Amino acid sequence: NAGVMQNPRHLVRRRGQEARLRCSPMKGHSHVYWYRQLPEEGLKFMVYLQKENIIDESGMPKERFSAEFPKEGPSILRIQQVVRGDSAAYFCASSRTPDSNQPQHFGDGTRLSIL
Amino acid sequence: AQSVTQLDSQVPVFEEAPVELRCNYSSSVSVYLFWYVQYPNQGLQLLLKYLSGSTLVKGINGFEAEFNKSQTSFHLRKPSVHISDTAEYFCAVRFSGGGADGLTFGKGTHLIIQP
Repeated sequence: NAGVMQNPRHLVRRRGQEARLRCSPMKGHSHVYWYRQLPEEGLKFMVYLQKENIIDESGMPKERFSAEFPKEGPSILRIQQVVRGDSAAYFCASSRTPDSNQPQHFGDGTRLSIL
Repeated sequence: AQSVTQLDSQVPVFEEAPVELRCNYSSSVSVYLFWYVQYPNQGLQLLLKYLSGSTLVKGINGFEAEFNKSQTSFHLRKPSVHISDTAEYFCAVRFSGGGADGLTFGKGTHLIIQP
């Protein structure tokens, strides 16, 4: 499967723990986008990264959330000291170029549950 | 800033009947328009996109959409639905002037096909 791979598919954390979500883009894609989907809501843009660079993090909460896309390996969305309100589905998408007319290809998401 | 409105949160339709899912957008600049479908516990799959040219665009699975600039709409249609079309449908826009941002999504419309 050459699509966008996200893992884990499901993640359960207790309040105060850390959550790490991983995303491997499609082969040949170097542009990664993270979105959050709350229940009964559409997806909300969080952050856009290229290899080793954060390009736009205008949708990221100011505290506890961080993202990286290292030279080697998957992109990581990290949530520190999780709270109940962080429970959501987190989707990663990738594209070959940053051009706005390029479709973004989505992974199957990580469903984060906070106990 | 742009926004997307999907007025119908749910649309029940009988199998083999036609369907239209409504999408209106608001933007002060030119945008590209997309429709995505999400099946349960999966990521989003691109149905179709409008970039420029003909206002009627055809997508996968027999879906089509018409861009209406004066009404700022991009409604999705299918002449005859199948039970397998049951899913969540999201309309999305993206600023056409650059790539340093993500998609802006509507809240989604749940299409329910009744036998």
